Amino acid sequence: ETGVTQSPTHLIKTRGQQVTLRCSSQSGHNTVSWYQQALGQGPQFIFQYYREEENGRGNFPPRFSGLQFPNYSSELNVNALELDDSALYLCASSLDPTGGDYGYTFGSGTRLTVV
Amino acid sequence: GDSVTQMEGPVTLSEEAFLTINCTYTATGYPSLFWYVQYPGEGLQLLLKATKADDKGSNKGFEATYRKETTSFHLEKGSVQVSDSAVYFCALRGTGFQKLVFGTGTRLLVSP
Repeated sequence: ETGVTQSPTHLIKTRGQQVTLRCSSQSGHNTVSWYQQALGQGPQFIFQYYREEENGRGNFPPRFSGLQFPNYSSELNVNALELDDSALYLCASSLDPTGGDYGYTFGSGTRLTVV
Repeated sequence: GDSVTQMEGPVTLSEEAFLTINCTYTATGYPSLFWYVQYPGEGLQLLLKATKADDKGSNKGFEATYRKETTSFHLEKGSVQVSDSAVYFCALRGTGFQKLVFGTGTRLLVSP
């Protein structure tokens, strides 16, 4: 059991640029969710992927997109970055879309700063 | 839509004091309820959970009881330690959907 790892840990981008954040899920977890946590706020659900298909999405625009790969890794892509995209981005994996008996395992996050 | 409301922090306590962090929720159906903890520079860790009314979740001395009549899930600990200093998030997972809905978090500061 290696847990959930995210990379990079910190990132600075310029407004208008594109960014890719990466997540390696816990082994055997076929579901991954992404959350955005603005400073001083609780995490907000972006979307969830189950067996490489998106199966749930929060109130985020289409410029937020994702991919999930067969090796339990996943990506969050954000196009046309805006200043308000500055946040901690959290990846969470689980054994199934409901979280199952053991819930979701969160990574430590990627701190994105848009300048 | 579903929502979670937590008491604002910071909550400042001396070591061995009693802790209560209030959490109320709004949801249709029968959500599952969670408390997560976030230590500085780290992700979220599941502290405890309850999946139906009157269930009590407990872990590491922390407890919370799912009260459907008051739509509450208050976190309690009888004697806090300095190492409990962190941000605590109350969350729910609604019926029929997978996402977690979080409160805004409550920072706990415990002094020796």
